[in-house]
Amino acid sequence: GNSVTQMEGPVTLSEEAFLTINCTYTATGYPSLFWYVQYPGEGLQLLLKATKADDKGSNKGFEATYRKETTSFHLEKGSVQVSDSAVYFCALSDWNTGFQKLVFGTGTRLLVSP
Amino acid sequence: DAMVIQNPRYQVTQFGKPVTLSCSQTLNHNVMYWYQQKSSQAPKLLFHYYDKDFNNEADTPDNFQSRRPNTSFCFLDIRSPGLGDAAMYLCATSNRRNGNTEAFFGQGTRLTVV
Repeated sequence: GNSVTQMEGPVTLSEEAFLTINCTYTATGYPSLFWYVQYPGEGLQLLLKATKADDKGSNKGFEATYRKETTSFHLEKGSVQVSDSAVYFCALSDWNTGFQKLVFGTGTRLLVSP
Repeated sequence: DAMVIQNPRYQVTQFGKPVTLSCSQTLNHNVMYWYQQKSSQAPKLLFHYYDKDFNNEADTPDNFQSRRPNTSFCFLDIRSPGLGDAAMYLCATSNRRNGNTEAFFGQGTRLTVV
């Protein structure tokens, strides 16, 4: 079945450091890929998405490129801020069953210190 | 301009006492989902409604039920909460008319069972 694998956290960085959070997936067909962010005690917010191979999703300085050849969707940001501290979930959607069922990775906690 | 609203944000219930969580949306989306997220884990889909059609995940316990009286509202009923049901419950919506949208999440309801 479909699955998403994320790097384990926590990822601890200093402010203005470069961020990469790795995400790889296994899926049949051509899923859409997402990064969601969850701040403490809150629900999930969509950060960015990509719906086909080679698409780049971007938002708030974060970027991720849909790489079909490596089945990856790594999240990057050039300069993190303390306010970026949160849990980041990579996810894919399964269109095969006719609805957008999200399959999530286990999440990666990011801690940014001043 | 909240779009997916969950009430209450925090709910404390007694072991075995039925509890209902509510979700409303202003997006007029035709699909509504309930996810369970236990501490430090990925969200897990419990069930979803596609319009009025209810779709249960195979591993969702019978203790969990749902109602969708109209497009805007969806309820999660836990008939006899156990200590293992303590979690964050996330409602989400998406649209499958004339194309598909990504899922929009509410802020979640954190359920404590005492």
